[in-house]
Amino acid sequence: KAGVTQTPRYLIKTRGQQVTLSCSPISGHRSVSWYQQTPGQGLQFLFEYFSETQRNKGNFPGRFSGRQFSNSRSEMNVSTLELGDSALYLCASSSDGQMNTEAFFGQGTRLTVV
Amino acid sequence: DAKTTQPNSMESNEEEPVHLPCNHSTISGTDYIHWYRQLPSQGPEYVIHGLTSNVNNRMASLAIAEDRKSSTLILHRATLRDAAVYYCILRRTSYGQNFVFGPGTRLSVLP
Repeated sequence: KAGVTQTPRYLIKTRGQQVTLSCSPISGHRSVSWYQQTPGQGLQFLFEYFSETQRNKGNFPGRFSGRQFSNSRSEMNVSTLELGDSALYLCASSSDGQMNTEAFFGQGTRLTVV
Repeated sequence: DAKTTQPNSMESNEEEPVHLPCNHSTISGTDYIHWYRQLPSQGPEYVIHGLTSNVNNRMASLAIAEDRKSSTLILHRATLRDAAVYYCILRRTSYGQNFVFGPGTRLSVLP
């Protein structure tokens, strides 16, 4: 079956702009979570959606937001981009997000803010 | 999620076994131990997980100490493709996918 698909793969934006990233989970998976990966901070949890509801949220400013649609596809939005938002953004899907369930990650979207 | 401690880096020769340690002294009785790895330019990939008993799958084995304060990921025969950053993660929350990643162990495999 198809894996987790993230689009676009690469993106260059200017400081102050906003950006929307998309994640299509594995068919049948209802949990989608988002992570930011930078060389300095490593992998950090942003938020998780389950059945269109945000279930968990990491310690990121309100400029970072997301949503999940009825088909489980998810988008994350970053407004008023800052240079420090340059990172690899990863999404992961799992069937239910339970602690004994494996997660499947996409290849990520590489965002560069100039 | 509770904190885990792993060595920053390890080295192995190709076709030899590799033992990747992880300390999790503050683990609670309901925490699952998960291992993921991240190959260069890719997202993390699930390796294995367990609760109390040792676990085996086609990729690796997970050996869990009797007191559960440490665990070891075992790659039985390292290949060049196994060169990656390996993350040991404790899953504490009763629901929700919100992994707390540490720095992980960077494994180098020498031909």
